[in-house]
Amino acid sequence: EAQVTQNPRYLITVTGKKLTVTCSQNMNHEYMSWYRQDPGLGLRQIYYSMNVEVTDKGDVPEGYKVSRKEKRNFPLILESPSPNQTSLYFCATHGGGTDTQYFGPGTRLTVL
Amino acid sequence: AQSVTQLGSHVSVSEGALVLLRCNYSSSVPPYLFWYVQYPNQGLQLLLKYTSAATLVKGINGFEAEFKKSETSFHLTKPSAHMSDAAEYFCAVKAGGTSYGKLTFGQGTILTVHP
Repeated sequence: EAQVTQNPRYLITVTGKKLTVTCSQNMNHEYMSWYRQDPGLGLRQIYYSMNVEVTDKGDVPEGYKVSRKEKRNFPLILESPSPNQTSLYFCATHGGGTDTQYFGPGTRLTVL
Repeated sequence: AQSVTQLGSHVSVSEGALVLLRCNYSSSVPPYLFWYVQYPNQGLQLLLKYTSAATLVKGINGFEAEFKKSETSFHLTKPSAHMSDAAEYFCAVKAGGTSYGKLTFGQGTILTVHP
């Protein structure tokens, strides 16, 4: 079964405490992305990756880092989280061209 | 550059009534267009997509959308609403011909279905 998994699903943390949200896909897709969802703003792309070791900024990259050392994994790193990063985060993957993007179940992050 | 505008952040209909969710896009190149649905506490699920083939696209759960280039629109419709259609719906655009897959989303429309 095609699947995108994210962990953790829920996280409450404090300002400045580094955290990582993991994302893994089993579809052997080259393309992966991170989005954040905020009420009234829809989903906005944070970072994307076109292949292993190839990443680039999306629309709202400030305060985030990513890495792509393996094709299946695309972790999102918040080195020093701040309250304005409280949001719902989605990882997504697709195979290129017109292929459908598949989304993970989401990670709800609260930064106090 | 590309953008999406969804007209109406909330739409309320009665069960059995027509559902119409509006989406207008802007794109400097021929677009690919998508509608996604998000049920409470779940991820996004693709309803349908337009990728430059037929302009009337049929999706899952009885939804369809028509691409109208002259109006830069991609409105989502369903002839008869069901209670299970209550969810948030997102329209998204991707630049046609690009492979890396950046989707630009609208702000979402919450659909409420009344008995």
